[in-house]
Amino acid sequence: QVQLRESGPGLVKPSETLSLTCTVSGGSMSGYYWGWIRQPPGKGLEYIGYIYYSGNTNYNPSLKSRVTISIDTSKNQFSLRLTSVTAADTAVYYCARMVVTATWGFDYWGQGSLVAVSS
Amino acid sequence: QSALTQPASVSGSPGQSITISCTGTSSDIGGYNSISWYQQHPGKAPKLMIYDVSNRPSGVSNRFSGSKSGNTASLTISGLQAEDESDYYCGSYTSINTLVFGGGTKLTVL
Repeated sequence: QVQLRESGPGLVKPSETLSLTCTVSGGSMSGYYWGWIRQPPGKGLEYIGYIYYSGNTNYNPSLKSRVTISIDTSKNQFSLRLTSVTAADTAVYYCARMVVTATWGFDYWGQGSLVAVSS
Repeated sequence: QSALTQPASVSGSPGQSITISCTGTSSDIGGYNSISWYQQHPGKAPKLMIYDVSNRPSGVSNRFSGSKSGNTASLTISGLQAEDESDYYCGSYTSINTLVFGGGTKLTVL
């Protein structure tokens, strides 16, 4: 059974960089797309982006200038960097795996990591 | 891109069927079949219930079904059960090569 787990700081200062890592266990990263989705407290889901196991990426146009997603298949990990954060970036950040047929549906999710942006 | 439009809330009694709508445009729902539905219980990660408009992942009850007509996708839950009470989100691929979600619908089982 594939499992994903997010890790990283729970508090980031305004204007600084948010960094999270997702560790994948129970399966290979090969052949899959790996994504990040966030959810502000009490609000809906927002797609951030994905990375293919080979390194190809796709980002939400509204976040593209601030987002970088990278992958290290040797460690079974992929990571999110979001620069110049503001309070609006406060959210639960989820990592997830896309359905194998790459249909933009995410079938395995981490438990989520709450990141607050505050001084 | 704008979020897809879902009703804020729907309700139904045990055993009944309910349908949650998700309305977009020809640039998302109307133009593609990469439409998914998620169930999210409070404090938990979303769970994929439907992908590619009407496909159920392994392990998802056949009480859940999806469809699409024009620019509107729908999730139908039949034989409503107390455990179905949750938030539901739709998602769709868009013409600008990204994914957009709906605002979410709170399902109450009366």
